[in-house]
Amino acid sequence: AQTVTQSQPEMSVQEAETVTLSCTYDTSENNYYLFWYKQPPSRQMILVIRQEAYKQQNATENRFSVNFQKAAKSFSLKISDSQLGDTAMYFCAFMKPNFNKFYFGSGTKLNVKP
Amino acid sequence: GAGVSQSPSNKVTEKGKDVELRCDPISGHTALYWYRQRLGQGLEFLIYFQGNSAPDKSGLPSDRFSAERTGESVSTLTIQRTQQEDSAVYLCASSFFLGDDGYTFGSGTRLTVV
Repeated sequence: AQTVTQSQPEMSVQEAETVTLSCTYDTSENNYYLFWYKQPPSRQMILVIRQEAYKQQNATENRFSVNFQKAAKSFSLKISDSQLGDTAMYFCAFMKPNFNKFYFGSGTKLNVKP
Repeated sequence: GAGVSQSPSNKVTEKGKDVELRCDPISGHTALYWYRQRLGQGLEFLIYFQGNSAPDKSGLPSDRFSAERTGESVSTLTIQRTQQEDSAVYLCASSFFLGDDGYTFGSGTRLTVV
């Protein structure tokens, strides 16, 4: 079975600073996909970044980047130059190829302070 | 439509009543998913539809839960004889055939059973 663990229920960061959210997962699969989703108070889940396990290069999307450590089964999200609009719940998720089903972590609530 | 649309946005119902939740996926998305999010928790998979194939119902928590989808159009999630533990946000998402690029989520229906 696949499990995803986010050990930080809540974090705070000052505006313009950098914060890292942790995620670990457990799987026996060799190929898979990892995602970070953002959920603001509007409840809609918004895709932040996606990583394919067979790619060694860490994914980057503007201010968002990941540190993917396959051997350690770790997938952390770094947010640079934090903005007030980054305040939200962040969920780490795992998906097997062709399986079309996410396994989500329990989330990290991020507060960006002015 | 431009996004995944869910209705109602909020629903309060009395224990023991039946409820129907509706999801309009993005046009052209063959795959449709229902997830449940209890307060302060991550998303739990409920059911997955892919075109005209038999749905994956492996996440439905009890026989009080059922869902239908006609072709690649609207889906309804029905909960019969609601219980207080059914209180949650029910999120729908859709994707092209393979969801490994990530889904597009709706804003969910918040169900409160009193």
